[in-house]
Amino acid sequence: DGGITQSPKYLFRKEGQNVTLSCEQNLNHDAMYWYRQDPGQGLRLIYYSQIVNDFQKGDIAEGYSVSREKKESFPLTVTSAQKNPTAFYLCASSLYSKLYTEAFFGQGTRLTVV
Amino acid sequence: DAKTTQPNSMESNEEEPVHLPCNHSTISGTDYIHWYRQLPSQGPEYVIHGLTSNVNNRMASLAIAEDRKSSTLILHRATLRDAAVYYCILRDSGNEKLTFGTGTRLTIIP
Repeated sequence: DGGITQSPKYLFRKEGQNVTLSCEQNLNHDAMYWYRQDPGQGLRLIYYSQIVNDFQKGDIAEGYSVSREKKESFPLTVTSAQKNPTAFYLCASSLYSKLYTEAFFGQGTRLTVV
Repeated sequence: DAKTTQPNSMESNEEEPVHLPCNHSTISGTDYIHWYRQLPSQGPEYVIHGLTSNVNNRMASLAIAEDRKSSTLILHRATLRDAAVYYCILRDSGNEKLTFGTGTRLTIIP
């Protein structure tokens, strides 16, 4: 089945540690995205990538890093520089098309830093 | 980036139509209007999108004002499963950036 997979669903880390969230898609989509969602809030864009080996900062990129070495994968690292890392993280992908297609989202990773 | 404005929350009775408004007064000619919804503890799912003409699909209808400065998502017969946060988003055909606002929390009353 085609889809977008985030793992793990729940993640616990100690303060000061870097942590990497996985996002994989087998939809052959060009564009991939990472969002952060805090309780009761909307989604805020962290980073996005239109093609392999290229990515752009979103609205809240500080304290995060990404890589796009393969079309299928767009891992997000939450670094120790991120002051409030506890949140729900969502990954998405879409075709790079001027005809405009929908974005598909993963089920999210809930990160708790203690 | 062009912005959208939505009411924070709305309520509707089960089995009645729901009209969710969205204002986008700074929309450009190349911006598509997209709607997504998010159920609790899940990732958002696509609902519908359009450019100028009204659109229908199995989930909903999208009515776009003639000047494109506003649009309305229409759920024809709300069920309890439609309770979610609904996001109205503008997407530029030349830019893959996908920015969400705060959305409208829809509550369905049995």
